[in-house]
Amino acid sequence: ETGVTQSPTHLIKTRGQQVTLRCSSQSGHNTVSWYQQALGQGPQFIFQYYREEENGRGNFPPRFSGLQFPNYSSELNVNALELDDSALYLCASSLGGHTEAFFGQGTRLTVV
Amino acid sequence: AQRVTQPEKLLSVFKGAPVELKCNYSYSGSPELFWYVQYSRQRLQLLLRHISRESIKGFTADLNKGETSFHLKKPFAQEEDSAMYYCALPKSEKLVFGKGTKLTVNP
Repeated sequence: ETGVTQSPTHLIKTRGQQVTLRCSSQSGHNTVSWYQQALGQGPQFIFQYYREEENGRGNFPPRFSGLQFPNYSSELNVNALELDDSALYLCASSLGGHTEAFFGQGTRLTVV
Repeated sequence: AQRVTQPEKLLSVFKGAPVELKCNYSYSGSPELFWYVQYSRQRLQLLLRHISRESIKGFTADLNKGETSFHLKKPFAQEEDSAMYYCALPKSEKLVFGKGTKLTVNP
């Protein structure tokens, strides 16, 4: 059984650019949630995907978008990057939305 | 609105001393609450949930609806307990996290 894996682990982008972060869910899990964790803060919910459909969204602008693929892996896309988007982005997978969520190690995004 | 507050950003204790990490919540209804832990260079992981009422790594947490609290306790802290601890409240499809408390257990 493989755990949740995220790629890349670190990324540096320039303001205004676009970025794609990837997440492979734990084997058997059909739900993926994305969180943003700014320095000194707890994780903030961005959105969740369940069986390839968006299943809830937090207070993030439309330039944050996502996808879930038939194998339940997922992508987080952020357009028009801003300096405040610099954060650790966490992916969590679960079997359904209300069971224990297992987190990946995160992608550290730095926008300069 | 559902909210989780962890009033202490930093907590430092000596090995063998009792430790209590505070968590207060605001929620209408019967909440389900979790404690997550993140050890250095490791991923965020579930430590315990209140419905299971179990002790994990010597930690316990009791839900106090009157005080709207879910404090995490351990009678004798160990150096390996040093980590970031997050209290979390499920709301619909998401988890609402507190800002976290960094626990340092000194030798």
